[in-house]
Amino acid sequence: GEDVEQSLFLSVREGDSSVINCTYTDSSSTYLYWYKQEPGAGLQLLTYIFSNMDMKQDQRLTVLLNKKDKHLSLRIADTQTGDSAIYFCLDTGRRALTFGSGTRLQVQP
Amino acid sequence: NAGVTQTPKFQVLKTGQSMTLQCAQDMNHNSMYWYRQDPGMGLRLIYYSASEGTTDKGEVPNGYNVSRLNKREFSLRLESAAPSQTSVYFCAMKELAGGNEQFFGPGTRLTVL
Repeated sequence: GEDVEQSLFLSVREGDSSVINCTYTDSSSTYLYWYKQEPGAGLQLLTYIFSNMDMKQDQRLTVLLNKKDKHLSLRIADTQTGDSAIYFCLDTGRRALTFGSGTRLQVQP
Repeated sequence: NAGVTQTPKFQVLKTGQSMTLQCAQDMNHNSMYWYRQDPGMGLRLIYYSASEGTTDKGEVPNGYNVSRLNKREFSLRLESAAPSQTSVYFCAMKELAGGNEQFFGPGTRLTVL
């Protein structure tokens, strides 16, 4: 079945760049998404990329997609303390929405 | 989360009680999903419905039943709640055209004592 994997934890210093990685297995994926979840809150859509794109930039966010390796990454430039949260990648393959387990980003002042 | 409603937002149950979580959408999506989210576990799929009248089990269906009576509504029922079902429940939907759409309901925080 479909599977989406993420590393569980990332710690960076304020002002540095953060890179959160995700791998997926469903070759029928059309859109891949990044969601942010702050403590006690719901899921907030951050950005997405269509499967025929390699890169998408949206202000401080850059999404890179390597379709051959089924690898997705989210780069946050100039990371701020307000970026501390859990980040989920979401694969919208044929069968179901499949989430990664989430990467907890900790930003140290 | 315009177009997607979940009720209730919060609920406390005693072990053995039953309840139904409601989800409704007005975005005309075919596929609807129920997820639970536990700390450190990410989101896990309970059940999904590819279209009106059909339902399928997800990763963690035990202890739950679902009903897709029409295109708009997809309900999740706990017949006999257990403390292990304490979680946050999200309803979600998918549109094949996809893109910049918010998929999720606001969530239901359920505590089973």
